[in-house]
Amino acid sequence: GAVVSQHPSRVICKSGTSVKIECRSLDFQATTMFWYRQFPKQSLMLMATSNEGSKATYEQGVEKDKFLINHASLTLSTLTVTSAHPEDSSFYICSATGGRANTGELFFGEGSRLTVL
Amino acid sequence: LAKTTQPVSMDSYEGQEVNITCSHNNIATNDYITWYQQFPSQGPRFIIQGYKTKVTNEVASLFIPADRKSSTLSLPRVSLSDTAVYYCLVAFSGNTPLVFGKGTRLSVIA
Repeated sequence: GAVVSQHPSRVICKSGTSVKIECRSLDFQATTMFWYRQFPKQSLMLMATSNEGSKATYEQGVEKDKFLINHASLTLSTLTVTSAHPEDSSFYICSATGGRANTGELFFGEGSRLTVL
Repeated sequence: LAKTTQPVSMDSYEGQEVNITCSHNNIATNDYITWYQQFPSQGPRFIIQGYKTKVTNEVASLFIPADRKSSTLSLPRVSLSDTAVYYCLVAFSGNTPLVFGKGTRLSVIA
């Protein structure tokens, strides 16, 4: 199946700094990418939807100025957590589609665990 | 987006067949049903997808009744490595974000 890669897999940062997470589709063109966050023992929560070349659509309650999403190419989307605080510590997962647009099959990255000290 | 309901958790012994049923009463005509598996600290992994009747692949079978208001994921002869959370989702277009329910936490016991 299609491969989606995330980097870094783990990141630890100090409170107040910004962290960038990359999501790449390795063998297909991802017209749409989705960003999720997941707290321990909870389900994935959709944060935003990004389409290549346009602004991301954020879910209710997600601060767009805090979670900056860029989808500048068909193979790369980035999530930047700005001025990170300990409550932003979470598991962030991206997913991408584009290969099978009519069946809802998504391909997920490996996830990125952010720890804010 | 169709809401899904699954059992919170299930336990099984190794070697048994496990069936996880998901309810999606308001599934739309064009929606597909997709199941994902997630291990701790990993992204979800696609297991199987179907629209109606029965679909089988090398790891699972998916049974969908005629009214499509539910679906059952069948895992034959589970092993300890099948311990994971299983999510069922319904969606039409790949451009529509998938909204995850709570999933079913399967624990396989030796």
